[in-house]
Amino acid sequence: AQSVTQLGSHVSVSEGALVLLRCNYSSSVPPYLFWYVQYPNQGLQLLLKYTSAATLVKGINGFEAEFKKSETSFHLTKPSAHMSDAAEYFCAVSDNAGNMLTFGGGTRLMVKP
Amino acid sequence: GAVVSQHPSRVICKSGTSVKIECRSLDFQATTMFWYRQFPKQSLMLMATSNEGSKATYEQGVEKDKFLINHASLTLSTLTVTSAHPEDSSFYICSAWSGLNRAEAFFGQGTRLTVV
Repeated sequence: AQSVTQLGSHVSVSEGALVLLRCNYSSSVPPYLFWYVQYPNQGLQLLLKYTSAATLVKGINGFEAEFKKSETSFHLTKPSAHMSDAAEYFCAVSDNAGNMLTFGGGTRLMVKP
Repeated sequence: GAVVSQHPSRVICKSGTSVKIECRSLDFQATTMFWYRQFPKQSLMLMATSNEGSKATYEQGVEKDKFLINHASLTLSTLTVTSAHPEDSSFYICSAWSGLNRAEAFFGQGTRLTVV
């Protein structure tokens, strides 16, 4: 069984500040890990993914995440927040390509001017 | 890139009626698609796995007779909410893994169902 925990259902940062969204996972097999962003009433857009290659993964819109097996973490970061980054972010895990995704509870990112 | 299209994006129906939601993979074939449900301010919960040419696999607690899934072709899966009730009001999202890039799951735009 797999699970994902996102610490902090709401995160608020100032524009230009560092964004750090936390994700810890549990998996009995080497995981596939994903970060998705969701804007209101829309589907999910992939930000980045980890699939057993490089542990530091760069995604779209300046986001990146680092896979740390020892900490079972896959935290999402962005050096400088932009107003357009305000959205809901979901971390997800899968045990293999093609299988179901298990999602964390989501983190709502708010960006203050 | 691979695209999953979901239709309709919004639907309002009366209690007791049925609503069909379509999920299409536009530029790849998907033998498996996934249907998720998302309540307001909550995460996505897997409802069922749709398998082309065979019966869907439902998650525990999901009524298969209420949420009918048909995956008749490699590019189309449908979810029919039968005899809808207000508690079925939710955001439904489908997903498929692209054959072009197997290590990515693509999502539809979602369907906001409101039952009145």
